[in-house]
Amino acid sequence: GNSVTQMEGPVTLSEEAFLTINCTYTATGYPSLFWYVQYPGEGLQLLLKATKADDKGSNKGFEATYRKETTSFHLEKGSVQVSDSAVYFCALSNYGGSQGNLIFGKGTKLSVKP
Amino acid sequence: SQTIHQWPATLVQPVGSPLSLECTVEGTSNPNLYWYRQAAGRGLQLLFYSVGIGQISSEVPQNLSASRPQDRQFILSSKKLLLSDSGFYLCAWSGEEGQPQHFGDGTRLSIL
Repeated sequence: GNSVTQMEGPVTLSEEAFLTINCTYTATGYPSLFWYVQYPGEGLQLLLKATKADDKGSNKGFEATYRKETTSFHLEKGSVQVSDSAVYFCALSNYGGSQGNLIFGKGTKLSVKP
Repeated sequence: SQTIHQWPATLVQPVGSPLSLECTVEGTSNPNLYWYRQAAGRGLQLLFYSVGIGQISSEVPQNLSASRPQDRQFILSSKKLLLSDSGFYLCAWSGEEGQPQHFGDGTRLSIL
């Protein structure tokens, strides 16, 4: 079945460091891919998305490219800030699946130190 | 624009008491609706989803139930809470299949 695997955290970085959070997926067909962010004590917010192979989603300095050949959607940011500290979830659309229309990874907690 | 409201924001309940969490969506019609639970330090667990009024699909066996009495209202309930029901509960909606889900601010439920 469809699934999402993302790197386990926590990830701790210094301010202005480069960030990569790995996400790989298993899916039949051509799912859309998403990154969500959850700030402490809040719900999830859509960060970026990509709907087809080679698409690049970007928002707030974060980027992720839909790589069909490696079934990956890694999240990157060139220079993180303390305000980026949050939990990041990778997700894919699960067309017609029994789990609703999105499957989430387990989340990666990012802590950015000043 | 569409908005989603979820309440209460926090709730402290004794073991064995009932539960009712409510979620409403505005600015759209016939949304898909979801209830998730997020235990401390863990990922999201889909509990229920609904594609229409009165249509509820349950993903995991538990002592929780869900109802959708109106198109844009989704309620999570329990007759008798357990300690293991503690967690952060999130409601979400989406439009067409494959589109992003949009989340409420969550309810932090503590069972004593």
